[in-house]
Amino acid sequence: QQQVKQSPQSLIVQKGGISIINCAYENTAFDYFPWYQQFPGKGPALLIAIRPDVSEKKEGRFTISFNKSAKQFSLHIMDSQPGDSATYFCAASKGDYKLSFGAGTTVTVRA
Amino acid sequence: ETGVTQSPTHLIKTRGQQVTLRCSSQSGHNTVSWYQQALGQGPQFIFQYYREEENGRGNFPPRFSGLQFPNYSSELNVNALELDDSALYLCASSSGPTLGTEAFFGQGTRLTVV
Repeated sequence: QQQVKQSPQSLIVQKGGISIINCAYENTAFDYFPWYQQFPGKGPALLIAIRPDVSEKKEGRFTISFNKSAKQFSLHIMDSQPGDSATYFCAASKGDYKLSFGAGTTVTVRA
Repeated sequence: ETGVTQSPTHLIKTRGQQVTLRCSSQSGHNTVSWYQQALGQGPQFIFQYYREEENGRGNFPPRFSGLQFPNYSSELNVNALELDDSALYLCASSSGPTLGTEAFFGQGTRLTVV
């Protein structure tokens, strides 16, 4: 069964807008939550990651929000650019072992 | 560039055949994991190796097997190929004893089984 549920499946945003992707997990033992960006024909690339001892982490235009009690975390892409058009995957792992991925969100940024 | 390279990039095999996919990790990366990514889905964990020993396996049958070598290269072998094995196969490596905070993925091998 899928241990990490991701939504939406796809989204379209205007250039300069905010993209928001949500993920939920069940296994409370998970303690590492990365986000990956994947372009067609390429492998996933680590974008940003968070541990459950912090509620938010920001790197440039990318922010992770983490809600431990709700077992949810989300990725916000601020000032979205056409180059951000890609598929984004959330993932989770316990003790840095065996990443469990969400199903992915395809983001399209319209110029 | 992640420093993780996979070969070949594309491969077509016939049902029932065997295939070997290869991965070259960054120097110093002792952990390598393999994932299967079906079209339109997230990667699924196959197994993980640390210093040439398998130290974890996902829900894949024994016909999926692997090897890790001292020179930071590794292999994924799949026997008795089935049509459902068609997917992008990804390897990922890190420097820790487990797939740590910096897991670097290769570009993948696209396997098509006909």
